[in-house]
Amino acid sequence: EDKVVQSPLSLVVHEGDTVTLNCSYEVTNFRSLLWYKQEKKAPTFLFMLTSSGIEKKSGRLSSILDKKELFSILNITATQTGDSAIYLCAVELNRDDKIIFGKGTRLHILP
Amino acid sequence: DVKVTQSSRYLVKRTGEKVFLECVQDMDHENMFWYRQDPGLGLRLIYFSYDVKMKEKGDIPEGYSVSREKKERFSLILESASTNQTSMYLCASSEPGQGAREQYFGPGTRLTVT
Repeated sequence: EDKVVQSPLSLVVHEGDTVTLNCSYEVTNFRSLLWYKQEKKAPTFLFMLTSSGIEKKSGRLSSILDKKELFSILNITATQTGDSAIYLCAVELNRDDKIIFGKGTRLHILP
Repeated sequence: DVKVTQSSRYLVKRTGEKVFLECVQDMDHENMFWYRQDPGLGLRLIYFSYDVKMKEKGDIPEGYSVSREKKERFSLILESASTNQTSMYLCASSEPGQGAREQYFGPGTRLTVT
Protein backbone atom coordinates (compact mmCIF):
# COMPACT_ATOMS: atom_id res chain seq x y z
CA GLU A 1 0.00 0.00 0.00
CA ASP A 2 1.33 3.44 -0.90
CA LYS A 3 2.02 5.66 2.07
CA VAL A 4 3.62 8.91 3.15
CA VAL A 5 4.81 9.27 6.72
CA GLN A 6 5.82 12.53 8.32
CA SER A 7 7.74 13.01 11.54
CA PRO A 8 7.55 14.37 14.06
CA LEU A 9 3.80 14.84 14.24
CA SER A 10 4.28 17.82 16.48
CA LEU A 11 7.22 20.07 17.33
CA VAL A 12 7.65 23.05 19.66
CA VAL A 13 10.81 25.16 19.45
CA HIS A 14 11.96 28.65 20.36
CA GLU A 15 12.26 31.51 17.93
CA GLY A 16 15.66 31.45 16.25
CA ASP A 17 16.04 27.68 16.37
CA THR A 18 16.53 25.59 13.26
CA VAL A 19 14.08 22.77 12.59
CA THR A 20 14.12 19.78 10.30
CA LEU A 21 10.87 18.11 9.26
CA ASN A 22 10.94 14.63 7.79
CA CYS A 23 8.89 12.92 5.14
CA SER A 24 9.39 9.31 4.11
CA TYR A 25 7.42 7.47 1.50
CA GLU A 26 6.76 4.02 0.15
CA VAL A 27 5.09 4.29 -3.21
CA THR A 28 5.27 2.81 -6.65
CA ASN A 29 5.60 5.00 -9.72
CA PHE A 30 6.87 8.10 -7.94
CA ARG A 31 6.48 11.32 -9.90
CA SER A 32 7.21 14.16 -7.47
CA LEU A 33 7.18 15.17 -3.82
CA LEU A 34 5.44 18.32 -2.65
CA TRP A 35 5.69 20.39 0.51
CA TYR A 36 2.91 22.68 1.73
CA LYS A 37 2.47 25.09 4.64
CA GLN A 38 -0.99 25.24 6.15
CA GLU A 39 -1.80 28.11 8.49
CA LYS A 40 -5.51 28.82 8.60
CA LYS A 41 -7.44 27.24 5.81
CA ALA A 42 -5.77 26.26 2.59
CA PRO A 43 -2.27 24.87 2.37
CA THR A 44 0.16 27.05 0.45
CA PHE A 45 2.64 25.49 -1.91
CA LEU A 46 6.29 25.54 -0.88
CA PHE A 47 8.35 23.17 -3.03
CA MET A 48 8.12 20.47 -5.64
CA LEU A 49 10.97 17.98 -5.78
CA THR A 50 11.57 15.50 -8.53
CA SER A 51 15.32 14.84 -8.55
CA SER A 52 17.57 13.50 -5.84
CA GLY A 53 20.21 15.68 -4.27
CA ILE A 54 19.10 19.02 -5.65
CA GLU A 55 18.27 21.44 -2.88
CA LYS A 56 15.36 23.79 -3.37
CA LYS A 57 15.60 27.01 -1.41
CA SER A 58 13.26 29.86 -0.62
CA GLY A 59 14.46 32.32 1.98
CA ARG A 60 14.94 30.48 5.27
CA LEU A 61 13.26 27.33 3.94
CA SER A 62 15.03 24.61 2.02
CA SER A 63 14.21 21.07 1.02
CA ILE A 64 15.97 18.12 -0.50
CA LEU A 65 14.89 14.74 -1.82
CA ASP A 66 16.65 11.38 -1.57
CA LYS A 67 15.04 8.98 -4.03
CA LYS A 68 17.30 6.13 -3.04
CA GLU A 69 16.39 6.26 0.64
CA LEU A 70 12.85 7.46 -0.13
CA PHE A 71 12.66 10.53 2.02
CA SER A 72 12.71 14.29 1.98
CA ILE A 73 13.49 16.90 4.60
CA LEU A 74 12.26 20.44 5.00
CA ASN A 75 14.62 22.74 6.88
CA ILE A 76 13.67 26.04 8.41
CA THR A 77 16.51 28.16 9.79
CA ALA A 78 16.21 31.09 12.20
CA THR A 79 12.57 30.25 12.88
CA GLN A 80 10.04 32.99 13.52
CA THR A 81 6.62 32.87 15.16
CA GLY A 82 5.11 33.26 11.68
CA ASP A 83 6.51 29.86 10.79
CA SER A 84 4.01 28.24 13.15
CA ALA A 85 1.81 26.07 10.95
CA ILE A 86 1.12 22.55 9.83
CA TYR A 87 3.59 21.38 7.19
CA LEU A 88 2.23 18.83 4.75
CA CYS A 89 4.19 16.47 2.57
CA ALA A 90 2.55 14.83 -0.45
CA VAL A 91 3.70 12.44 -3.15
CA GLU A 92 2.38 12.44 -6.70
CA LEU A 93 2.28 9.13 -8.51
CA ASN A 94 2.51 8.44 -12.21
CA ARG A 95 0.21 5.49 -11.81
CA ASP A 96 -3.46 6.46 -11.44
CA ASP A 97 -2.42 10.11 -11.05
CA LYS A 98 -2.82 9.73 -7.32
CA ILE A 99 -1.65 12.20 -4.72
CA ILE A 100 -1.00 10.87 -1.26
CA PHE A 101 -0.69 13.22 1.67
CA GLY A 102 1.12 12.65 4.93
CA LYS A 103 -0.62 13.56 8.16
CA GLY A 104 1.44 16.69 8.58
CA THR A 105 3.83 18.08 11.19
CA ARG A 106 2.39 20.71 13.50
CA LEU A 107 5.13 23.22 14.22
CA HIS A 108 4.79 25.78 16.98
CA ILE A 109 7.39 28.50 17.45
CA LEU A 110 7.59 30.09 20.89
CA PRO A 111 8.57 33.77 21.08
CA ASP B 1 -9.02 6.53 10.74
CA VAL B 2 -10.78 9.34 8.93
CA LYS B 3 -12.00 8.42 5.54
CA VAL B 4 -12.69 10.92 2.78
CA THR B 5 -14.04 9.43 -0.42
CA GLN B 6 -14.64 10.96 -3.79
CA SER B 7 -17.20 9.57 -6.18
CA SER B 8 -14.94 9.07 -9.19
CA ARG B 9 -11.25 8.57 -9.76
CA TYR B 10 -11.46 9.59 -13.39
CA LEU B 11 -14.01 11.59 -15.34
CA VAL B 12 -14.07 12.65 -18.97
CA LYS B 13 -16.63 15.28 -19.91
CA ARG B 14 -17.36 17.44 -22.92
CA THR B 15 -17.18 21.22 -23.01
CA GLY B 16 -20.44 22.74 -21.84
CA GLU B 17 -21.57 19.74 -19.79
CA LYS B 18 -22.66 20.14 -16.18
CA VAL B 19 -20.35 18.14 -13.93
CA PHE B 20 -20.87 16.99 -10.35
CA LEU B 21 -17.98 15.91 -8.13
CA GLU B 22 -19.04 14.31 -4.88
CA CYS B 23 -17.11 14.08 -1.63
CA VAL B 24 -18.13 12.21 1.50
CA GLN B 25 -16.38 12.08 4.88
CA ASP B 26 -17.21 9.75 7.72
CA MET B 27 -15.80 11.56 10.76
CA ASP B 28 -18.53 14.12 11.39
CA HIS B 29 -16.18 16.93 10.42
CA GLU B 30 -17.75 20.34 10.09
CA ASN B 31 -15.20 21.78 7.67
CA MET B 32 -14.95 20.61 4.08
CA PHE B 33 -12.87 21.94 1.20
CA TRP B 34 -12.52 21.60 -2.55
CA TYR B 35 -9.17 22.18 -4.21
CA ARG B 36 -7.73 21.74 -7.61
CA GLN B 37 -4.13 20.72 -8.16
CA ASP B 38 -2.28 21.64 -11.34
CA PRO B 39 1.39 21.07 -12.20
CA GLY B 40 3.55 23.90 -10.94
CA LEU B 41 0.63 25.59 -9.19
CA GLY B 42 0.14 23.37 -6.18
CA LEU B 43 -3.18 23.23 -4.39
CA ARG B 44 -5.64 26.05 -5.01
CA LEU B 45 -8.77 26.45 -2.91
CA ILE B 46 -12.01 26.64 -4.86
CA TYR B 47 -14.67 26.65 -2.14
CA PHE B 48 -15.00 25.63 1.46
CA SER B 49 -17.81 25.05 3.90
CA TYR B 50 -17.90 25.34 7.68
CA ASP B 51 -21.36 23.93 8.17
CA VAL B 52 -24.37 22.50 6.42
CA LYS B 53 -25.80 24.89 3.82
CA MET B 54 -22.90 27.21 4.40
CA LYS B 55 -20.26 27.96 1.77
CA GLU B 56 -17.51 30.45 1.17
CA LYS B 57 -15.47 31.23 -1.91
CA GLY B 58 -11.86 30.29 -1.99
CA ASP B 59 -9.18 31.68 -4.25
CA ILE B 60 -10.53 30.48 -7.60
CA PRO B 61 -14.33 30.07 -7.38
CA GLU B 62 -15.11 31.28 -10.91
CA GLY B 63 -16.85 28.64 -12.98
CA TYR B 64 -17.69 26.51 -9.92
CA SER B 65 -20.43 26.23 -7.36
CA VAL B 66 -20.90 23.94 -4.35
CA SER B 67 -23.64 22.31 -2.37
CA ARG B 68 -23.63 21.14 1.27
CA GLU B 69 -27.06 19.73 2.09
CA LYS B 70 -25.75 17.18 4.58
CA LYS B 71 -22.80 17.43 6.93
CA GLU B 72 -20.96 14.47 5.47
CA ARG B 73 -21.30 15.42 1.81
CA PHE B 74 -19.82 18.35 -0.11
CA SER B 75 -20.43 18.56 -3.83
CA LEU B 76 -18.50 20.59 -6.38
CA ILE B 77 -20.45 21.62 -9.48
CA LEU B 78 -19.06 22.80 -12.78
CA GLU B 79 -22.03 24.56 -14.32
CA SER B 80 -20.62 24.47 -17.85
CA ALA B 81 -17.34 22.60 -18.06
CA SER B 82 -14.50 24.17 -20.00
CA THR B 83 -11.15 22.79 -21.10
CA ASN B 84 -9.29 24.97 -18.59
CA GLN B 85 -11.07 23.07 -15.84
CA THR B 86 -9.18 19.92 -16.74
CA SER B 87 -7.38 19.19 -13.49
CA MET B 88 -7.02 16.98 -10.44
CA TYR B 89 -9.72 17.84 -7.89
CA LEU B 90 -9.12 17.10 -4.23
CA CYS B 91 -11.60 17.18 -1.40
CA ALA B 92 -10.59 17.54 2.23
CA SER B 93 -12.25 17.72 5.62
CA SER B 94 -11.17 18.89 9.04
CA GLU B 95 -12.49 19.50 12.52
CA PRO B 96 -13.70 22.97 13.40
CA GLY B 97 -11.79 25.58 15.35
CA GLN B 98 -9.58 28.59 15.01
CA GLY B 99 -6.19 28.25 13.47
CA ALA B 100 -4.84 25.43 11.38
CA ARG B 101 -6.49 22.06 11.64
CA GLU B 102 -5.21 18.87 10.12
CA GLN B 103 -6.92 18.31 6.82
CA TYR B 104 -7.76 14.82 5.63
CA PHE B 105 -7.66 14.48 1.88
CA GLY B 106 -9.62 12.26 -0.45
CA PRO B 107 -7.89 10.31 -3.24
CA GLY B 108 -8.66 12.91 -5.90
CA THR B 109 -10.70 12.99 -9.09
CA ARG B 110 -8.87 13.46 -12.36
CA LEU B 111 -11.25 15.42 -14.61
CA THR B 112 -10.59 15.81 -18.31
CA VAL B 113 -12.77 18.21 -20.31
CA THR B 114 -12.59 17.72 -24.05
